[in-house]
Amino acid sequence: DVKVTQSSRYLVKRTGEKVFLECVQDMDHENMFWYRQDPGLGLRLIYFSYDVKMKEKGDIPEGYSVSREKKERFSLILESASTNQTSMYLCASSLQGNEQFFGPGTRLTVL
Amino acid sequence: GNSVTQMEGPVTLSEEAFLTINCTYTATGYPSLFWYVQYPGEGLQLLLKATKADDKGSNKGFEATYRKETTSFHLEKGSVQVSDSAVYFCALRKTGFQKLVFGTGTRLLVSP
Repeated sequence: DVKVTQSSRYLVKRTGEKVFLECVQDMDHENMFWYRQDPGLGLRLIYFSYDVKMKEKGDIPEGYSVSREKKERFSLILESASTNQTSMYLCASSLQGNEQFFGPGTRLTVL
Repeated sequence: GNSVTQMEGPVTLSEEAFLTINCTYTATGYPSLFWYVQYPGEGLQLLLKATKADDKGSNKGFEATYRKETTSFHLEKGSVQVSDSAVYFCALRKTGFQKLVFGTGTRLLVSP
């Protein structure tokens, strides 16, 4: 079975802190994705990566950056957390042209 | 642009009732269509998919048919169970692209 794991299920940070969200997949997938999920808005794509060191902006990249130094790991970085980044963050991975597999999510609260 | 519209929830049903969750889409070309399900406290799981017009996706008693003429992909189940209570997301992916475009999700609550 494909497994996508995220480093934390719940995280509480303060405004202005630098925040790292980590995602690891164990199935050698080329593609990895970061979404945020908010009530009434569904899932919105922040960034995705189609190969090591490659990345593309999604629909809402402002305030975020990403890093993919190894194929299995994709990190989402909030350089200076703000309260409007309080959300559920979901990571996913996929093989080219195939379904996306999701991690359990990290619920981030920024105070 | 590409977009997916789902009916607003919550949808509240009694066990063994018939379920329909409406989904319509806007896209150029011929996208692939998906239904994902999110159980409480979990990430999303693929429920079913269809890749071309008139295809029917099915899984766990759920079905959806890709209707190009009405740009729809409605989710149906003949007899829901309490364990089907979850949030259901309709999504599309344009051919040749990896990005999914999601609807806003529909919460289903099934009572015994």
